Amino acid sequence: AQKITQTQPGMFVQEKEAVTLDCTYDTSDQSYGLFWYKQPSSGEMIFLIYQGSYDEQNATEGRYSLNFQKARKSANLVISASQLGDSAMYFCAMREGETSYDKVIFGPGTSLSVIP
Amino acid sequence: NAGVTQTPKFQVLKTGQSMTLQCAQDMNHNSMYWYRQDPGMGLRLIYYSASEGTTDKGEVPNGYNVSRLNKREFSLRLESAAPSQTSVYFCASSQWAAGGLKQFFGPGTRLTVL
Repeated sequence: AQKITQTQPGMFVQEKEAVTLDCTYDTSDQSYGLFWYKQPSSGEMIFLIYQGSYDEQNATEGRYSLNFQKARKSANLVISASQLGDSAMYFCAMREGETSYDKVIFGPGTSLSVIP
Repeated sequence: NAGVTQTPKFQVLKTGQSMTLQCAQDMNHNSMYWYRQDPGMGLRLIYYSASEGTTDKGEVPNGYNVSRLNKREFSLRLESAAPSQTSVYFCASSQWAAGGLKQFFGPGTRLTVL
């Protein structure tokens, strides 16, 4: 069963606007973590942001913030003030918990296109 | 620091051939991973290693073997390559730091099996 769901295969956003990329996950662990990665057309994987399940505040890194709703098991990525260079694939990933020794699995991804 | 390095960058194999993909990291990280990425899809975990001397299966381990040779190196072996193993293979390493677990990826190996 898929543990990470990204329901938006493709998204478009106007330059300078904010955009939210959805991610829902499934785990029975109490301790886990959520990641977001960016993969531009060059193929490299770029770490964006991390949220631990016990973190009380939503994680932020520059223009990226993670909207963590634990009860809903969602970890949406918000990109503020979109730039043309934000056009890429975005992957949500999860570190499973206490007994999985940093095992990290990925969702299917969302393709984001920023329109000038 | 070179970060995570992978060799080779490209490889073409015939069905039934074997090969080993090499991965090394110079960041003294404990955990290392092998993923595959098929066109238009996300990364799927093949194997991971939480520390030197330990390996665990991921989501798609069939057809692969791994070796955690030492803390730096984590190799992936295809004993008898099949066309279904045509993919881009990424190696990664991770370490806990302020702010949580951080993963670092290599540039990938593009493998084609004919």
